[in-house]
Amino acid sequence: DAGVIQSPRHEVTEMGQEVTLRCKPISGHDYLFWYRQTMMRGLELLIYFNNNVPIDDSGMPEDRFSAKMPNASFSTLKIQPSEPRDSAVYFCASSSDGRGETQYFGPGTRLLVL
Amino acid sequence: QKEVEQNSGPLSVPEGAIASLNCTYSDRVSQSFFWYRQYSGKSPELIMSIYSNGDKEDGRFTAQLNKASQYVSLLIRDSQPSDSATYLCAVHSGSARQLTFGSGTQLTVLP
Repeated sequence: DAGVIQSPRHEVTEMGQEVTLRCKPISGHDYLFWYRQTMMRGLELLIYFNNNVPIDDSGMPEDRFSAKMPNASFSTLKIQPSEPRDSAVYFCASSSDGRGETQYFGPGTRLLVL
Repeated sequence: QKEVEQNSGPLSVPEGAIASLNCTYSDRVSQSFFWYRQYSGKSPELIMSIYSNGDKEDGRFTAQLNKASQYVSLLIRDSQPSDSATYLCAVHSGSARQLTFGSGTQLTVLP
C-alpha cells in the first residue's frame, strides 16, 4: 500500500511568488496533518483536518498560509506571497486511529524561498 | 517552558551498547506517547508507542513511561550504526487532539 504522497519534493522559488504544496494521504485515513520543520523551531503543527474539515489551524503562522482539503484523498498548503523565512521542510501526515495519534509521515517538500 | 523536552545531544554510543534517550512533558493529561526516528534528510518514522505506565518492548527497542514523573524514555539495546538518527519524542493530549514533538536527540552509534 502506498504511503503518504507529497509533491513536489523540492521547490525553489523567489520571494513574493505563490507556492502550492500537495498531499495525498494514505487511503482510508481520516486525519490529515501539515507540519513544518526547521532547525530553529523543530517540527511544528500548522493545521489538521478530520474527515476533510479543518479542526485546528492555530499553528498557521499568518494569513499568507492557507490549506484546503477538497476531498479525502487530496490536500494543499498554499503560501502567498512567499518569504525567505518560509524556507523549511513541509511534511504531511495522516492517521486512521480515531484520535489522530498514530501518524504516518510523507517524504516532505523541501522549500527554499530566495 | 517547552511542552516536550529532550536533550538535543549529540549522544554517542559504541556499537553494541545500550542507548538511552529521555523525554519529559508538561501536560499532565497527556495520554499517549510516541517515539519517531528521523534519518538525515528523511521524514519521521514511527517506531514505538506507549500508553500505560511501565515498559513496552519491541525487538531491540524498549519504551518506558512514568506518568507520575511525566517522563518517557527509549532504550535501544545492541545499538547498531544504522540506529544513528535523530529520535523525536511526541506526546498526544486527548483534549487538543494533536501531537506535540520534542526537538529531538541526535544519536550516533560508533562502529
